[in-house]
Amino acid sequence: GENVEQHPSTLSVQEGDSAVIKCTYSDSASNYFPWYKQELGKGPQLIIDIRSNVGEKKDQRIAVTLNKTAKHFSLHITETQPEDSAVYFCAASSYGGATNKLIFGTGTLLAVQP
Amino acid sequence: EAQVTQNPRYLITVTGKKLTVTCSQNMNHEYMSWYRQDPGLGLRQIYYSMNVEVTDKGDVPEGYKVSRKEKRNFPLILESPSPNQTSLYFCASSLISRETQYFGPGTRLLVL
Repeated sequence: GENVEQHPSTLSVQEGDSAVIKCTYSDSASNYFPWYKQELGKGPQLIIDIRSNVGEKKDQRIAVTLNKTAKHFSLHITETQPEDSAVYFCAASSYGGATNKLIFGTGTLLAVQP
Repeated sequence: EAQVTQNPRYLITVTGKKLTVTCSQNMNHEYMSWYRQDPGLGLRQIYYSMNVEVTDKGDVPEGYKVSRKEKRNFPLILESPSPNQTSLYFCASSLISRETQYFGPGTRLLVL
């Protein structure tokens, strides 16, 4: 079945710097890759997603890139702010195929130092 | 307000005492799912439901039951809880399976 690896597990950056979180997946049939942000005491919330027919997607300070050949995708946060501090999860799925579920990475704790 | 609600938010129980965690969504979503979150393991799917009366196992279904008698509700049942089911549980829903999942606030369970 699908397996998603996420790195790093923790990331500390200075306010204003960029942060990059990387994920790799194993199932070449995966075609949907969302990123979730989980703030302390809350449930995960979708921040951006990408489907396998595009290579990059941007939303203000957040961007996601996808390399289908290498089976990896990354989250890029520019001009980080203290409110970006949270746990970030990547996920992969192959909706429309044999499964209908998201497989999550193990999460990255991002700390933005003021 | 569109939301997924879970109850209770916190629960301490003892081994073997049956419990139910409720989940309800007000967005008329077809797809609902339960996850558990454990340190270092991320979110793992327990069960999911594509629609009313349609449920299927996720990656870690052992020791859990679910039902989907109504579109809005998707309760998680632990018939005989054990300490290894101590975890943080999340319910999620989406319009259909391939769309954005909306998560509830979580239920922290401690089984003694």
